[in-house]
Amino acid sequence: GAGVSQSPSNKVTEKGKDVELRCDPISGHTALYWYRQSLGQGLEFLIYFQGNSAPDKSGLPSDRFSAERTGGSVSTLTIQRTQQEDSAVYLCASSFSRGPQETQYFGPGTRLLVL
Amino acid sequence: AQSVTQLDSQVPVFEEAPVELRCNYSSSVSVYLFWYVQYPNQGLQLLLKYLSGSTLVKGINGFEAEFNKSQTSFHLRKPSVHISDTAEYFCAVSGGGANNLFFGTGTRLTVIP
Repeated sequence: GAGVSQSPSNKVTEKGKDVELRCDPISGHTALYWYRQSLGQGLEFLIYFQGNSAPDKSGLPSDRFSAERTGGSVSTLTIQRTQQEDSAVYLCASSFSRGPQETQYFGPGTRLLVL
Repeated sequence: AQSVTQLDSQVPVFEEAPVELRCNYSSSVSVYLFWYVQYPNQGLQLLLKYLSGSTLVKGINGFEAEFNKSQTSFHLRKPSVHISDTAEYFCAVSGGGANNLFFGTGTRLTVIP
């Protein structure tokens, strides 16, 4: 079946602009995660959604970052007033249900470059 | 809080030779352990995971890992590597109240013909 998809695959923006990154999880998966992969910080957790529960935002690096998940499916990660240090690959993952033992399936990522 | 250490950032190995990629974790509670592989320009793919039970876990592509609680390690091994195993390998941990994964910094495995 279809895996996790993300769009766009690449995004180049100017410092100070807002960007939106989209994630389509695997159908039927209730949990959705956003991670960021950068040269300086490695792979770091950003935010986690589980069903209709309040999201776990503990990994968001600043209030310029926000995310929403509509209808328990598609998710959008928004970065406002982008900075050069926001340049990274943003990865989305989904899992069938909640719980740390569940396998997370990753999308191909969105490569963001802030000029 | 959990953390993961992958001491080797790069591991070169000749084709058909064995390889071990090291992973140590730090946690005060029981955790779940994972190895993911990232091929060039692709997303992360699960190789194997340890949840409980037998400490030797077998995964895809001939990889296996052994959970050692006393040494807080979860090293990844393959008895004979292939050119196609060239990739970046990430060890990760979850649990202890967190659903998300905490990743190590990764080990780049390069298989030399």
